[in-house]
Formats: sequence, C-alpha cells, structure tokens
Amino acid sequence: ENVLTQSPGTLSLSPGEGATLSCRASQSVGSTYLAWYQQKPGQAPRLLIYSTSNRATGIPDRFSGGGSGTDFTLTISRLEPEDFAVYYCQHYDNSRTFGQGTKVEIK
Amino acid sequence: EVQLLESGGDLVQPGGSLRLSCAASGFTFNNYAMSWVRQTPGQGLEWVSAISGSGATTYYADSVRGRFTISRDNSKNTLFLQMNSLRAEDTAQYYCTRDRGSINKNPHDFWGQGTLVTVSS
Repeated sequence: ENVLTQSPGTLSLSPGEGATLSCRASQSVGSTYLAWYQQKPGQAPRLLIYSTSNRATGIPDRFSGGGSGTDFTLTISRLEPEDFAVYYCQHYDNSRTFGQGTKVEIK
Repeated sequence: EVQLLESGGDLVQPGGSLRLSCAASGFTFNNYAMSWVRQTPGQGLEWVSAISGSGATTYYADSVRGRFTISRDNSKNTLFLQMNSLRAEDTAQYYCTRDRGSINKNPHDFWGQGTLVTVSS
C-alpha cells in the first residue's frame, strides 16, 4: 500500500499569508494520479486539484499544485477567510489512499 | 447541477447488514464511474469501493473486500453499497462520489453529503 504522509499536521496562519502543504508518498506516484481536496466542518470534501496541478472547475487560481515522484505540494498564495479548512491529498492509481490531512487554522 | 443524495445509513449490530443507496441527478449517470468513500468520526478519509460507468468492473479496498458489494442501476441513476458482516470499525460517514471519468483511476469530483453508518451492540 502506498502510504501518503502530509505535513505539517496543523498550519497556523493569518489571512493574506501564503501556505505550503506537503504530501509525501512511500512509493512513487504518477503525476496523473495525485489530487487535493478541501474539507470544511460539517461538509463533504471538495476536489481542488487533480493530476498534480490541474485546478478543478470553479477553483480560484490562488490554489496551485506541484511536485513529482514521491513529493507533492499544495500552495495557497494568499489565504482568504474561506480557505481555513482541512486539506487532504489522495493518489488514485490502482489503489486509492488519502493522506491524514493538514489543518489550516487562523492564527 | 450535479446532485448526489445518499440514504440507508442506520444503527446496526455487529455481524449485521445494511444497503446504502445514492440517487444521482444533473449528469449522464452511465458516463461516469462512481465510488464510496467513508470517514470515521473525527478521522480521515478512506476510499471503500468504485464501479465503472457501465457497471462491468468493480474495485474494493482490502478492508471491505468479500463483505461489501457495489452495484449500480443506470436506468434509475442510482448507486448502491451492500454491506454484510459489519464490524465496529465500519462505523463511519459514507459518501457517494462521482469519479471524473468512466473508468477507474480518476479523482472524486462531486460528493454527496453522506449517510451515517453506526455498528454497535
């Protein structure tokens, strides 16, 4: 099983600051098969990024994804109040696993 | 507008069975693979099962293989998850998701609001 480890567990930032979230895989992941989701309390997750760097429909361009092999990142260029949430990475190759999540909280 | 509405969640005893349903609307149902993803209270996400758009191919997580069966009725735009031999560790919010394509290996681009399954005596 390809284990995804996200870091940090919690990121404390202020609105307007930038955020960089990390997702490290125990085995190499094809760039086609890496996604990021956002989840707010009481809501279902929402797809943000797929195929490492492609924004899903309606996702603002302050969200960007990158990386390759075993190391991937989600970058939020300037945090808006609605961006404070939990973020999960997922690989969706032959098996599909999620990282444990990074919480972005207001400092 | 894509809508996914789950139902069927309930309190069930260990060893019991439950069938979840997901009514889909707002898109051509048989053009998309569908999945079930679960989330334990306060915990992270776990993909459970997926089915191709035609229904011909199914996929399961190791944790549920042999106990859960995914199926779909494309004439009724409905996805199902039959859960047998339920265990306490199956307790979770179960989400129906649309996959971004007709076959496996696609992310989940739309999610329902979920239905709660509680396995307890």
